[in-house]
Amino acid sequence: QVQLVQSGAEVRKPGASVNVSCKASEYTFTNYYIHWVRQAPGQGLEWMGIINLGGGGTGYAQRFQGRVTMTMDTSTSTVYMQLSSLRSEDTAIYYCARSEFGADHYFDYLGQGTLVTVSS
Amino acid sequence: SYVLTQPPSGSVAPGQTARITCEGNNIRSKSVHWYQQRPGQAPVLVVYDDSDRPSGIPERFSGSNSGNTATLTISRVEAGDEADYYCQVWDSRSDHVVFGGGTKLTVL
Repeated sequence: QVQLVQSGAEVRKPGASVNVSCKASEYTFTNYYIHWVRQAPGQGLEWMGIINLGGGGTGYAQRFQGRVTMTMDTSTSTVYMQLSSLRSEDTAIYYCARSEFGADHYFDYLGQGTLVTVSS
Repeated sequence: SYVLTQPPSGSVAPGQTARITCEGNNIRSKSVHWYQQRPGQAPVLVVYDDSDRPSGIPERFSGSNSGNTATLTISRVEAGDEADYYCQVWDSRSDHVVFGGGTKLTVL
């Protein structure tokens, strides 16, 4: 059964960085993309960016350019999302989500979500 | 950048049909995908590529896309369908995923 398992909740102070992981299982890791989507409390879904697991290429939403970095480790089928210069508005649940090569980018599987709280 | 507009809320009685719209400029030229998000849970894909259903999603969920409006239709609504629903497209001009603002569906 396909699973995307994310790391646990994090608390950070403003200005710090956070690293969230997403470990994939039960499918061919490199045939997919992984996206990161976040949801602030009581708000809608916001796309942050994409990483191509076939080669590592990335694309980021403009509002996160310069603050977000997405990387992968094919040996452990794990993707990482680092967000830096955190501010209170970054408090949100962060989801990783999978889309398939050759298909339109929709998310057939999502991780369980990781709550990141930014507070002084 | 491409914008998707959804009504913030809607309501329907059990057994009736709910229709949730998603508006975007010439949206018919794009593939539209829909997610259901129940409180405290991750989103779940219910319709992809305008009108296809993932395995395990009831036939009560269907989609259409024409002109500037895509529609998610839920037939024979049940209490368990009460959730937030989001439409989503891939904008090939910007190589970005775009979400609608979401519609909170209340089952009366």
